[in-house]
Amino acid sequence: DGGITQSPKYLFRKEGQNVTLSCEQNLNHDAMYWYRQDPGQGLRLIYYSQIVNDFQKGDIAEGYSVSREKKESFPLTVTSAQKNPTAFYLCASSMAPGTYEQYFGPGTRLTVT
Amino acid sequence: KQEVTQIPAALSVPEGENLVLNCSFTDSAIYNLQWFRQDPGKGLTSLLLIQSSQREQTSGRLNASLDKSSGRSTLYIAASQPGDSATYLCAVGLAYGNNRLAFGKGNQVVVIP
Repeated sequence: DGGITQSPKYLFRKEGQNVTLSCEQNLNHDAMYWYRQDPGQGLRLIYYSQIVNDFQKGDIAEGYSVSREKKESFPLTVTSAQKNPTAFYLCASSMAPGTYEQYFGPGTRLTVT
Repeated sequence: KQEVTQIPAALSVPEGENLVLNCSFTDSAIYNLQWFRQDPGKGLTSLLLIQSSQREQTSGRLNASLDKSSGRSTLYIAASQPGDSATYLCAVGLAYGNNRLAFGKGNQVVVIP
């Protein structure tokens, strides 16, 4: 089955620790995206990547980092510099930047205490 | 900056009624508009994608219209069912943003049996 997988579904960390969220797609899509969702707010873009070895900051990139070493993988690291990391994180992909539909993974809920 | 608004935030309808969900956006320079469905704790499922040159799209009981000049889109769900209970999100593809999406906060829908 083609799709986007995110793991783990739930993640718990202590404050001050870095944590990496996984996102893998087998849709052969060039573009990948990371969003953050908080209660009562719309999705906000953290980082996006149009091609391998290239990525750009979104609207709320501070405290996050990404890499894009393979077309199918776009991991997100939430660093200790992120002031309010507890949220629902969603990964998405699209065939290419432009007018193409975005497809989303099932999400990872991160709780930092 | 593109602002996307969905009103009301929550609504309930009796089973069998038609659902009408509205989305408005402030900047008409868009590539496309996408409607998503989100169930609690889950990722987003794409329902319909309307390109900026199109006026509407249909899929089964769903119909979405787009009036770019007035900055509005409407999602119609005919003959609603309890299984349609979910949050519906509207997102516009930014013409200047490499397929970046700007999201509304969603309409939380409950269909009462």
